Amino acid sequence: GAVVSQHPSRVICKSGTSVKIECRSLDFQATTMFWYRQFPKQSLMLMATSNEGSKATYEQGVEKDKFLINHASLTLSTLTVTSAHPEDSSFYICSARDPLREPDTQYFGPGTRLTVL
Amino acid sequence: GNSVTQMEGPVTLSEEAFLTINCTYTATGYPSLFWYVQYPGEGLQLLLKATKADDKGSNKGFEATYRKETTSFHLEKGSVQVSDSAVYFCALNQAGTALIFGKGTTLSVSS
Repeated sequence: GAVVSQHPSRVICKSGTSVKIECRSLDFQATTMFWYRQFPKQSLMLMATSNEGSKATYEQGVEKDKFLINHASLTLSTLTVTSAHPEDSSFYICSARDPLREPDTQYFGPGTRLTVL
Repeated sequence: GNSVTQMEGPVTLSEEAFLTINCTYTATGYPSLFWYVQYPGEGLQLLLKATKADDKGSNKGFEATYRKETTSFHLEKGSVQVSDSAVYFCALNQAGTALIFGKGTTLSVSS
């Protein structure tokens, strides 16, 4: 299957700072990537859909000025958590689709554990 | 709207026991159906999928059959192992949109 990587895997930051998380499709080009957030022992909550070369589409209740998404190339999407606060601490997971091989299947990155002190 | 309902956990089994995790869905048309597995501290891995009615997805001894008449996609394995302990998510996808997940079922297998 397709491979998706995320970096960093873990990050600890101080309240008020910004954190950037990268999501890369390693062996395919992804026109669409997705960003999810997962709280402990809960399911994944879709935050936004990231489209290469255009603005991201955010789900209701997700602050687009706080969670900045950039999809500048066909293999890279970034999520920047701006002015992070302790309530932003969570597990962030991205996914991507390979539109040429399996357009209906999403492949997930390993996730990024964000802890805001 | 579309939704996925899966059985509440946790499910606790002994090694070599039979596993069933129920999953039902609500959707218009013909969605694609998936099972993903998440091991502690990791992202999700695709376990199996089915894209049309009566299709059976299978992988690593796990199976699930797309049942249109009962709108179900139950996950089964004949003999579980300790290494199967994880959280299992049922999900659907329609027309290239984002996945819709069930709440997840935690499986714990003891030796």
